[in-house]
Amino acid sequence: ETGVTQTPRHLVMGMTNKKSLKCEQHLGHNAMYWYKQSAKKPLELMFVYSLEERVENNSVPSRFSPECPNSSHLFLHLHTLQPEDSALYLCASSQQGGSYEQYFGPGTRLTVT
Amino acid sequence: QKEVEQNSGPLSVPEGAIASLNCTYSDRGSQSFFWYRQYSGKSPELIMSIYSNGDKEDGRFTAQLNKASQYVSLLIRDSQPSDSATYLCAVNTNAGKSTFGDGTTLTVKP
Repeated sequence: ETGVTQTPRHLVMGMTNKKSLKCEQHLGHNAMYWYKQSAKKPLELMFVYSLEERVENNSVPSRFSPECPNSSHLFLHLHTLQPEDSALYLCASSQQGGSYEQYFGPGTRLTVT
Repeated sequence: QKEVEQNSGPLSVPEGAIASLNCTYSDRGSQSFFWYRQYSGKSPELIMSIYSNGDKEDGRFTAQLNKASQYVSLLIRDSQPSDSATYLCAVNTNAGKSTFGDGTTLTVKP
């Protein structure tokens, strides 16, 4: 595996379900990000982890719960979601610091029914 | 005022023309600048990075940076229909904060 991988690629869940999205980076980076992108809308930054510590949380509802057990893995735990949470969820990674670009995974297309 | 501003478009150019995409930013402490391309339904991919004033060329792409005017642009020469996508400008501060613009949608018509 190379780059940034995300699983599952597609997920359909009911509003009462609990599911988790997984992201893994194989680039040796030490910062990881979750973004939400609704249809034809801009990227929305949700969470940032740097050296496994959460450094940014952009007023995301508590039904989204991130976890970063090590610098290579990032999870997004989902529970009691709403239909408006249906979107493309993108994971990205980078080296920590201002000079570095982010590399994105392919995304998880989430549909909440 | 948004931290990173881009014209949302859509920008439409004929095949073979030069497409010019613009981005302005508000934080004078910004140090690194990136352009990403995002095809519909796909994730963003990095196409250019620029760190100092002036032009940087890579194939048909040229990034231009003017820190005094807080302006970064992307020129695409000999535009092809396969260049049709949304182009995202991203700006990093020295502290490592990264901010994306909302993107400009480009359509290249055959």
